[in-house]
Amino acid sequence: NAGVMQNPRHLVRRRGQEARLRCSPMKGHSHVYWYRQLPEEGLKFMVYLQKENIIDESGMPKERFSAEFPKEGPSILRIQQVVRGDSAAYFCASSPLVGQGTRYYNEQFFGPGTRLTVL
Amino acid sequence: AQSVTQLDSQVPVFEEAPVELRCNYSSSVSVYLFWYVQYPNQGLQLLLKYLSGSTLVKGINGFEAEFNKSQTSFHLRKPSVHISDTAEYFCAVKRGDFGNEKLTFGTGTRLTIIP
Repeated sequence: NAGVMQNPRHLVRRRGQEARLRCSPMKGHSHVYWYRQLPEEGLKFMVYLQKENIIDESGMPKERFSAEFPKEGPSILRIQQVVRGDSAAYFCASSPLVGQGTRYYNEQFFGPGTRLTVL
Repeated sequence: AQSVTQLDSQVPVFEEAPVELRCNYSSSVSVYLFWYVQYPNQGLQLLLKYLSGSTLVKGINGFEAEFNKSQTSFHLRKPSVHISDTAEYFCAVKRGDFGNEKLTFGTGTRLTIIP
């Protein structure tokens, strides 16, 4: 069973260009999460999606950033008009929906990340 | 909101010596706790987790952690480290209720094993 796939692994953009990061979840997983890791920092939550639905985008910057997880195909994190401060590693994770209840847990499996460099 | 503090940004340890990586958290609700390991240029791998039950949890690669509710801590330990344990270690917390799926991470501890 293949793990979470992210591509490209490395992406270089000039200021003002657009960056598109793709994430293919593990087989059978219906939930995708995006995290950003700035240099020398921990991962920061950005957005949580189910297919065709954004569940929680409380960590997304208000401008230039958007995410989608269509019915078919990978999840896309899109950054418009990139700036130097967007340079970071962007990690995607996926999980199955195990079930609801008083105590439950959906383990998140992480991909290898996309390292975005803005020149 | 939850927060995680990893006070030690770097920890050097001699090979075969024991190690403890510290993690403290803050939350007004019940939480789940995790330790992840990140090897250079790779994604995160789950080492171990505390959901409920026994406060001492064992994970992969010989690591274990103890949940201490009164001290709001979840320190990671290994009795004897190997060169291959050189990596970045992240403590994370998640609210223990349905619908709140996001993980909140600490800033990480870089473990360096000295031969």
